Amino acid sequence: DSGVTQTPKHLITATGQRVTLRCSPRSGDLSVYWYQQSLDQGLQFLIQYYNGEERAKGNILERFSAQQFPDLHSELNLSSLELGDSALYFCASSVGTGNNWEKLFFGSGTQLSVL
Amino acid sequence: AQKITQTQPGMFVQEKEAVTLDCTYDTSDPSYGLFWYKQPSSGEMIFLIYQGSYDQQNATEGRYSLNFQKARKSANLVISASQLGDSAMYFCAMRVSNTGNQFYFGTGTSLTVIP
Repeated sequence: DSGVTQTPKHLITATGQRVTLRCSPRSGDLSVYWYQQSLDQGLQFLIQYYNGEERAKGNILERFSAQQFPDLHSELNLSSLELGDSALYFCASSVGTGNNWEKLFFGSGTQLSVL
Repeated sequence: AQKITQTQPGMFVQEKEAVTLDCTYDTSDPSYGLFWYKQPSSGEMIFLIYQGSYDQQNATEGRYSLNFQKARKSANLVISASQLGDSAMYFCAMRVSNTGNQFYFGTGTSLTVIP
């Protein structure tokens, strides 16, 4: 158990809908990262938050947004969903801003299926 | 540009044998961290081993060791005494501080352990 909690584990929805994925980092970790994993794109970095502030942005679509709350949990909002958004979405956490030695601890992921 | 390359999409190994999973990386920064993660069929990403660019010795964690060859920019994962539970996807990753501390992942290698 990595200590990172993601909910829900599975999500099935329709095109055009909006969903929210939730992540609680490991106790003491200040950084939260979101990744998208699909068969054709591999692991794609979406966004990182550190202590409530956006720290780095990757290949995140404008239809997607995220935030980190004062209690350090994070939510990833996906709107106007398309079939191509179907993927495994991971949350990960690390203790600091991202020093070279900081490993990421991953949650078990949310499998999103857009029908 | 930072890049991680895993050229072996799939590997097979006999149970109890050792196996090497290849990883090469590209960065011009002298300070970086190299990581290996395991993703079993259940989906979670499990941290295996870490190597810092300034570390003099190759990292080891139980049956896992990292064959770090800095001049060749390679960071191969060696799994000794393979077990059936080692069957999984394995991802090599790099973190470089001067690129906003992002994690760069390879495309992964699927390892199958044969009884």
